[in-house]
Amino acid sequence: GAVVSQHPSRVICKSGTSVKIECRSLDFQATTMFWYRQFPKQSLMLMATSNEGSKATYEQGVEKDKFLINHASLTLSTLTVTSAHPEDSSFYICSARSLGGGYTFGSGTRLTVV
Amino acid sequence: GNSVTQMEGPVTLSEEAFLTINCTYTATGYPSLFWYVQYPGEGLQLLLKATKADDKGSNKGFEATYRKETTSFHLEKGSVQVSDSAVYFCALRERTQGGSEKLVFGKGTKLTVNP
Repeated sequence: GAVVSQHPSRVICKSGTSVKIECRSLDFQATTMFWYRQFPKQSLMLMATSNEGSKATYEQGVEKDKFLINHASLTLSTLTVTSAHPEDSSFYICSARSLGGGYTFGSGTRLTVV
Repeated sequence: GNSVTQMEGPVTLSEEAFLTINCTYTATGYPSLFWYVQYPGEGLQLLLKATKADDKGSNKGFEATYRKETTSFHLEKGSVQVSDSAVYFCALRERTQGGSEKLVFGKGTKLTVNP
């Protein structure tokens, strides 16, 4: 079946540095990729939607200059958290939608900013 | 906007017990409905779905029926196993006027099944 590889699974970084999270569709082409943030005991909150080759569409309240999304190919999207602060600590999950319309999720990245 | 409300957990059951996790939604029209499951340390996996009213989705012994009268999509399983321990998310697919779509999730319900 469709597989999405997300890494790193865990990352600890110092406040003020930037962190890049990668999301790859391994055996299918992802026309659209989604980035979510999951808080403890909370739902997945959609941060942005990206289509290959075009700028990402950010949800209301999400800072596009802080959360940089690149979707340069049909199999790779990246999320870069710039100038990270402790409040950015969270669980980030990507999801890829295939041409057939199905959604496949990555296993998530636990970001801790110290 | 559209929203999904599901029962809060955590839910703790003994093996072979009956499971119900309630889910209701608010939406314009009749969106497709989904249940996703997240096992510890893994990403979300599609468990089952229903695309129109009265459809019943089923998989691995789990079932959910799309009820437009009550705007509900409750998840049920007749006899749970320890391996069913996970977090379960109810979701709907929302289409925007611009033609794009996205999933809207409930908060998730953590299920623990004890032997």
